[in-house]
Amino acid sequence: GAGVSQSPRYKVAKRGQDVALRCDPISGHVSLFWYQQALGQGPEFLTYFQNEAQLDKSGLPSDRFFAERPEGSVSTLKIQRTQQEDSAVYLCASSSLDRVQFFGPGTRLTVL
Amino acid sequence: TQLLEQSPQFLSIQEGENLTVYCNSSSVFSSLQWYRQEPGEGPVLLVTVVTGGEVKKLKRLTFQFGDARKDSSLHITAAQPGDTGLYLCAGALDSNYQLIWGAGTKLIIKP
Repeated sequence: GAGVSQSPRYKVAKRGQDVALRCDPISGHVSLFWYQQALGQGPEFLTYFQNEAQLDKSGLPSDRFFAERPEGSVSTLKIQRTQQEDSAVYLCASSSLDRVQFFGPGTRLTVL
Repeated sequence: TQLLEQSPQFLSIQEGENLTVYCNSSSVFSSLQWYRQEPGEGPVLLVTVVTGGEVKKLKRLTFQFGDARKDSSLHITAAQPGDTGLYLCAGALDSNYQLIWGAGTKLIIKP
């Protein structure tokens, strides 16, 4: 597609449930980033992929968070045993060699 | 720690007024990007500045990159309610694939 897409756009989970968030980057973009964003704040880095390799996962807040990009295209961010503090907007961005990042619309996760 | 300080954090002005948003750092950036984000959407790229001293204009928006490539500003002339949103700056370092993000400026333009 022409841009980065994310699904679902909204997700409501009960505390303790597992969730999976999907990102379809711009075709051909080597780099893929996941961010967490609180209301009215800038994005907070979670993890970075170059093709299928996860080169940096230093921003993942706990071992309940896991991301993968097995074929170097679509990526999935999985959160196990969700907690209320996981409620946020999760943004995906992709970029090519010029490092300009293009963002998807985000997934708003609400944990009840 | 590499920081990009963005100011002001919040700005509410009347339609027709001018405003400037600033991003400052002690780090030298290879490029700096400005994004605008509306509620419920992801950040949308407005402009990328690369050269020290560069000035780019996008209709009523003027972006400037400092001579030393450590700071940038966004100036909006005759603001309109449609300019309302969260404005974010992000700097790229030669040494790191990550972008260094400002905290954002929440801009409200009142009709």
